[in-house]
Amino acid sequence: KAGVTQTPRYLIKTRGQQVTLSCSPISGHRSVSWYQQTPGQGLQFLFEYFSETQRNKGNFPGRFSGRQFSNSRSEMNVSTLELGDSALYLCASSEIAGSGELFFGEGSRLTVL
Amino acid sequence: GENVEQHPSTLSVQEGDSAVIKCTYSDSASNYFPWYKQELGKRPQLIIDIRSNVGEKKDQRIAVTLNKTAKHFSLHITETQPEDSAVYFCAASGETGANNLFFGTGTRLTVIP
Repeated sequence: KAGVTQTPRYLIKTRGQQVTLSCSPISGHRSVSWYQQTPGQGLQFLFEYFSETQRNKGNFPGRFSGRQFSNSRSEMNVSTLELGDSALYLCASSEIAGSGELFFGEGSRLTVL
Repeated sequence: GENVEQHPSTLSVQEGDSAVIKCTYSDSASNYFPWYKQELGKRPQLIIDIRSNVGEKKDQRIAVTLNKTAKHFSLHITETQPEDSAVYFCAASGETGANNLFFGTGTRLTVIP
């Protein structure tokens, strides 16, 4: 089985712009979670989607949003980018919601200038 | 919300020695505790996990123990090898489900040949 695929792998944006990141889960996995990884804050939960519905949301401002499509692929969007949004954004999939067995993608590294 | 503390932040051991990493959590409702290994520039990979109805779990050279009363859990790696060198993260499930994980700040393990 192919693993979790995230695109783009690297991107550079400037403050005020917006960005959309994409995640394709492992085939058959219906739950997709997003995490932000930074050197200072570590890995922080953003949100989880299952069957196109957001199940959980972490403690991030409304500028961070996401969605899931009927084929389980997911996108996350960050609007009005700030310097502090520079991070590695990791997507993880699992077979069922709440199972806890997450399989991570390689991540999308966002740099905000 | 859940708070996970992880110690030590760095750990150096000689090849063949054992390594122990400890984590504490705050939310008694947490019931799932995975450990992830992240090599430089790579994705976090699940190496072992334990659920709250089990006190210990072992997989070859890796073992995890859980003390629910004290709210702490530990990762034990025996007969360490240079390829064990990586950053290790512990995590605990959030109250809303096991896919909402709260991570520790990581332990950088270096195995000296």
